[in-house]
Amino acid sequence: EAGVVQSPRYKIIEKKQPVAFWCNPISGHNTLYWYRQNLGQGPELLIRYENEEAVDDSQLPKDRFSAERLKGVDSTLKIQPAELGDSAVYLCASSLGGLPSGGYTFGSGTRLTVV
Amino acid sequence: QKEVEQDPGPLSVPEGAIVSLNCTYSNSAFQYFMWYRQYSRKGPELLMYTYSSGNKEDGRFTAQVDKSSKYISLFIRDSQPSDSATYLCAMGGGSEKLVFGKGTKLTVNP
Repeated sequence: EAGVVQSPRYKIIEKKQPVAFWCNPISGHNTLYWYRQNLGQGPELLIRYENEEAVDDSQLPKDRFSAERLKGVDSTLKIQPAELGDSAVYLCASSLGGLPSGGYTFGSGTRLTVV
Repeated sequence: QKEVEQDPGPLSVPEGAIVSLNCTYSNSAFQYFMWYRQYSRKGPELLMYTYSSGNKEDGRFTAQVDKSSKYISLFIRDSQPSDSATYLCAMGGGSEKLVFGKGTKLTVNP
């Protein structure tokens, strides 16, 4: 079974430029999460999807971040415009039934550097 | 006070040592407790999953949850150099939001 697939693995952009990250969750997993992990910190939730619906986006900086999950499968996270403080690893995770069914499966992440 | 506190270390031990990793938390609503292992430049990998209080053992790994003290632990027996990684505690309950500790960086020296 393929795991959670993310691309690109690395991205370097200049500040004020746009950037997008893509995630393909494990087949059949209806719940998808985007987390951000700053250097030396644990991941922090940005947004959670149940199928196509964003059910928790309270931590998403909506002035510059947006996300979508078309057809309840793949998801894209976008930043426009990027700021220096956005440099971090952006992790996608998926789960079959949320916390009661077990922990989430994470992808390898996209390491973003804003210069 | 942060919801989850974890000593970032670093922790360095000789091969074969018993390793103890810990987290404390403040949110009484947490019911699900996890330990993730994260190798350099990789995503977190689920190691142990526990619901409510008690112990769970899987090979060389034992997870303990003490809800009365709001304290969780991960023990690694007969530690190996391949165990060198950052260990993240994570917990949730009520909502689907997982809250992570900062992670403890462990090095097991041959």
